[in-house]
Amino acid sequence: DTAVSQTPKYLVTQMGNDKSIKCEQNLGHDTMYWYKQDSKKFLKIMFSYNNKELIINETVPNRFSPKSPDKAHLNLHINSLELGDSAVYFCASSLRQGDGEKLFFGSGTQLSVL
Amino acid sequence: EDKVVQSPLSLVVHEGDTVTLNCSYEVTNFRSLLWYKQEKKAPTFLFMLTSSGIEKKSGRLSSILDKKELFSILNITATQTGDSAVYLCAVEADYKLSFGAGTTVTVRA
Repeated sequence: DTAVSQTPKYLVTQMGNDKSIKCEQNLGHDTMYWYKQDSKKFLKIMFSYNNKELIINETVPNRFSPKSPDKAHLNLHINSLELGDSAVYFCASSLRQGDGEKLFFGSGTQLSVL
Repeated sequence: EDKVVQSPLSLVVHEGDTVTLNCSYEVTNFRSLLWYKQEKKAPTFLFMLTSSGIEKKSGRLSSILDKKELFSILNITATQTGDSAVYLCAVEADYKLSFGAGTTVTVRA
């Protein structure tokens, strides 16, 4: 009964390939996110969707395309992978509690581009 | 651009010590500040703070927010080796959560 699950956990691929990461949450949350964590552990938001609508799109190359078929799923497709895309990608969903938004994270996908 | 700065970047302590982690921020339209603990995988939620001066406690961990001086501290008392982790501070503003770079805490037996 994992709350936020993402697959795959590890992804090793060659430069130039296209790959996808899938995310699903069973918490009934309306908002889902993709975060990128670099080797220095810095977590940076990439995208946020609320009820299947894109609400945050940070300065991310357009090789990254999120897709939300329904509010429980948010997938990330990456075209023409580059070495600099190597990182851990975290999916998250959130619940608004009073004035704050509490995020629940998936276990991450470690992407290595060779 | 929203800014969240954590200090120190890392520290090493011995079991039983007390640690204090700092998080300062500069954001517009502040809504909340959150602390997360990250061991090997996903960050796990510790605290959410929205009001100044109200301490939140969970076991040996506690945290407080100062909205006037724009910072928060996270205290861990009687540290144990299981407290070794990266502690992340995040600030929500304009419905977006911005994270600091984290503080790596290593607790030696």
